[in-house]
Amino acid sequence: DQQVKQNSPSLSVQEGRISILNCDYTNSMFDYFLWYKKYPAEGPTFLISISSIKDKNEDGRFTVFLNKSAKHLSLHIVPSQPGDSAVYFCAASAGGNSGYALNFGKGTSLLVTP
Amino acid sequence: DVKVTQSSRYLVKRTGEKVFLECVQDMDHENMFWYRQDPGLGLRLIYFSYDVKMKEKGDIPEGYSVSREKKERFSLILESASTNQTSMYLCASAGTGRIYEQYFGPGTRLTVT
Repeated sequence: DQQVKQNSPSLSVQEGRISILNCDYTNSMFDYFLWYKKYPAEGPTFLISISSIKDKNEDGRFTVFLNKSAKHLSLHIVPSQPGDSAVYFCAASAGGNSGYALNFGKGTSLLVTP
Repeated sequence: DVKVTQSSRYLVKRTGEKVFLECVQDMDHENMFWYRQDPGLGLRLIYFSYDVKMKEKGDIPEGYSVSREKKERFSLILESASTNQTSMYLCASAGTGRIYEQYFGPGTRLTVT
């Protein structure tokens, strides 16, 4: 059963605009959330993370928001650039109880057009 | 920079063959993971290891086994390859201090015919 859900398989955004990628989760034991970015023929690379004790984390153009009551998080990219075109995976962990293993969503393919 | 390498980028094997996928990391990380990635399914955890000779089953361990004899090396073994094991296999490692931030290798595209 998918515990981390990314319901939008793809998203297209114009360069310079905001990209918003969404993620929902079902397991209330998750206490750490991450976003990974993946280019074709490469492994995923870590992008940004957030602990469940926070509701926002920002790193340059990337901001992750966490709404624990709604079990929802989102990744905002502002401004979007063509080099941001990739597949973005949302991931979550329940910490030591699960051996720190990550549960991944199915991914959202972002296309940033010039 | 952390480097995670995988022995092959592409591999073609026949049904019933024993397949070894090797992963090596150079950052002295305690934790190593094997995932498979399939279209529409995202990344699914097969096995992980948090120390030498230790292993834990992930979400889909059936048909696979692992070996961790040295800290830097984590091997995934398909005892008898089947066509439904055709997939992209990704290895990752993480240090204990920042265990959630896993570093991935480039992946091995395995085709079982």
